Amino acid sequence: AQSVTQLDSQVPVFEEAPVELRCNYSSSVSVYLFWYVQYPNQGLQLLLKYLSGSTLVKGINGFEAEFNKSQTSFHLRKPSVHISDTAEYFCAVSTTPYNTDKLIFGTGTRLQVFP
Amino acid sequence: NAGVMQNPRHLVRRRGQEARLRCSPMKGHSHVYWYRQLPEEGLKFMVYLQKENIIDESGMPKERFSAEFPKEGPSILRIQQVVRGDSAAYFCASSRGDSNQPQHFGDGTRLSIL
Repeated sequence: AQSVTQLDSQVPVFEEAPVELRCNYSSSVSVYLFWYVQYPNQGLQLLLKYLSGSTLVKGINGFEAEFNKSQTSFHLRKPSVHISDTAEYFCAVSTTPYNTDKLIFGTGTRLQVFP
Repeated sequence: NAGVMQNPRHLVRRRGQEARLRCSPMKGHSHVYWYRQLPEEGLKFMVYLQKENIIDESGMPKERFSAEFPKEGPSILRIQQVVRGDSAAYFCASSRGDSNQPQHFGDGTRLSIL
């Protein structure tokens, strides 16, 4: 079975500072990795995904993530955050790249950006 | 180019009543997934359906919960005899299932049980 651990439930940061949101996973089979963002009272929006190929993945809104197979991690980074990045961020895994299988989510990290 | 549509956005029920949540997938999507988000928690998979078929219901509670995705019309998540613990946000996602595309999520239905 797969599982996802997001180590930080909350990350406060000042505007224009860099940020890293941590995600670790466990699985006995190959997984595919995703980061989603959830703004208040809205659904989830895909930020980026890793299916294969380059381990550094670039997504929307200036976010990127690096897949590290040996450390079973998929940390999300942004070099300079904006107030508008304040939201809940979820890391997720799937056992198929085409999303015909369910997504297993972490418990989320609340990013709060202060002016 | 509408996305995944869920209704209602908010639903209030008294204990013992029935709740029916609807999800219309994106155009061209034939795969639907339901997830539940309890307060302060991540999303938990409930059920995965294709048209007229339940593919994976491993996350569905054994009693009171059912889901369908008929040939015509939206997917329905039905909760009978609701209890306080059913209060949560219920999200629907859809995908084509046969291409390298992610699941697209609706804005959810927030169910409150009085």
